[in-house]
Amino acid sequence: DIQLTQSPSFLSASVGDRVTITCRASQGISSYLAWYQQKPGKAPSLLIYVASTLQSGVPSRFSGSGSGTEFTLTISSLQPEDFATYYCQQLNIYPFTFGPGTKVDIK
Amino acid sequence: QVQLVESGGGVVQPGRSLRLSCAASGFTFSSYALHWVRRAPGKGLEWVAIISDDGNNKYYAGSVEGRFTISRDNSKNTLYLQMNSLRAEDTAVYYCGRDPGSAYAYYGMDVWGQGTTVTVSS
Repeated sequence: DIQLTQSPSFLSASVGDRVTITCRASQGISSYLAWYQQKPGKAPSLLIYVASTLQSGVPSRFSGSGSGTEFTLTISSLQPEDFATYYCQQLNIYPFTFGPGTKVDIK
Repeated sequence: QVQLVESGGGVVQPGRSLRLSCAASGFTFSSYALHWVRRAPGKGLEWVAIISDDGNNKYYAGSVEGRFTISRDNSKNTLYLQMNSLRAEDTAVYYCGRDPGSAYAYYGMDVWGQGTTVTVSS
């Protein structure tokens, strides 16, 4: 199975900060990577798909990049509603797998 | 509006079975692949299974293969997850999700249900 690692696992930041989360795959997955946001008690929501395509309705402060084994999710200016846990997921090779998550908390 | 609604969760003893349902509305159900994803208490998301739009292709996580079966009824706009030989480690919130991709390329879940809770305990 493809293993995804995320760094950092926990991030403390302030409103207005630029935040970058990295997702690394144990083998190449082309660009078949999605990013999700999950808030407590809620279902996840899709932010980015095929590594860099912004899902409709997602604010433009979110962006994704990368291919192969290394990917990043960037929030250009953190907003109060962005404090949540972020997951990457690979959809290139079965079984599809998620990263362990990155919790973004208020500094 | 576009919606997925899970049902069928509950408390079940180890070794028993449970069937989850996911009812869809607001979109052409038969045009989308569908996933099941779960989140155990205090853990992260775990992908469980996917079924293609026509139901002919199904794939599973190793942790559930041979015990869980994903299926769909396109005439009823409903997705199912039959869970047999349940274990304590299957305790989780189970979500269904819609994927606009195809067997050539899946993109991720753009619509999610609210989740249904399964507790496996004696």
